[in-house]
Amino acid sequence: EAGVAQSPRYKIIEKRQSVAFWCNPISGHATLYWYQQILGQGPKLLIQFQNNGVVDDSQLPKDRFSAERLKGVDSTLKIQPAKLEDSAVYLCASSPRGDEQYFGPGTRLTVT
Amino acid sequence: DQQVKQNSPSLSVQEGRISILNCDYTNSMFDYFLWYKKYPAEGPTFLISISSIKDKNEDGRFTVFLNKSAKHLSLHIVPSQPGDSAVYFCAASPYNNNDMRFGAGTRLTVKP
Repeated sequence: EAGVAQSPRYKIIEKRQSVAFWCNPISGHATLYWYQQILGQGPKLLIQFQNNGVVDDSQLPKDRFSAERLKGVDSTLKIQPAKLEDSAVYLCASSPRGDEQYFGPGTRLTVT
Repeated sequence: DQQVKQNSPSLSVQEGRISILNCDYTNSMFDYFLWYKKYPAEGPTFLISISSIKDKNEDGRFTVFLNKSAKHLSLHIVPSQPGDSAVYFCAASPYNNNDMRFGAGTRLTVKP
């Protein structure tokens, strides 16, 4: 079974630029999550989808972050414009039943 | 707010001995607890979980203990192996499995 795929793996941008991350979850997993992991901290949930509907986005900075899940499968997370404090690893995870989560390798974003 | 805390950023043990990783939480609504293991440049992988109706769950060398009255859980690894060297994250979520919160992680080093 293929795991959660994410791209790109690394991205360096300047502040005020835009960036987008892509996630392809495990086939058949209804729930998809985006997390932000700042160095030295645990993952912080940004948004949770159930199929293509948003379940929880209470910790998503909506003035600059947006996310969508196309047809209940792939998902993109966008930051526009980026700030220095957005430097982090962005993890995507999927779950068949909303319990155990399977994580992708993450995208390491550096904002300069 | 840090609802899940792992107060030991690092732990070093000798191969063959027991590793004990601790986690405390503050939210009494948490009903489901998990441990994830993370190697460098990879996403976290699920290790073991426990629901609040139990106080112990065992899977091979890994055992998780839950003390609800103290809002404390621990992960025991016996015997520890060098391949167990990784960062371990404690996570917790309410009964509906949304809004999972992670601790900051404990880096375990198992010395041969």
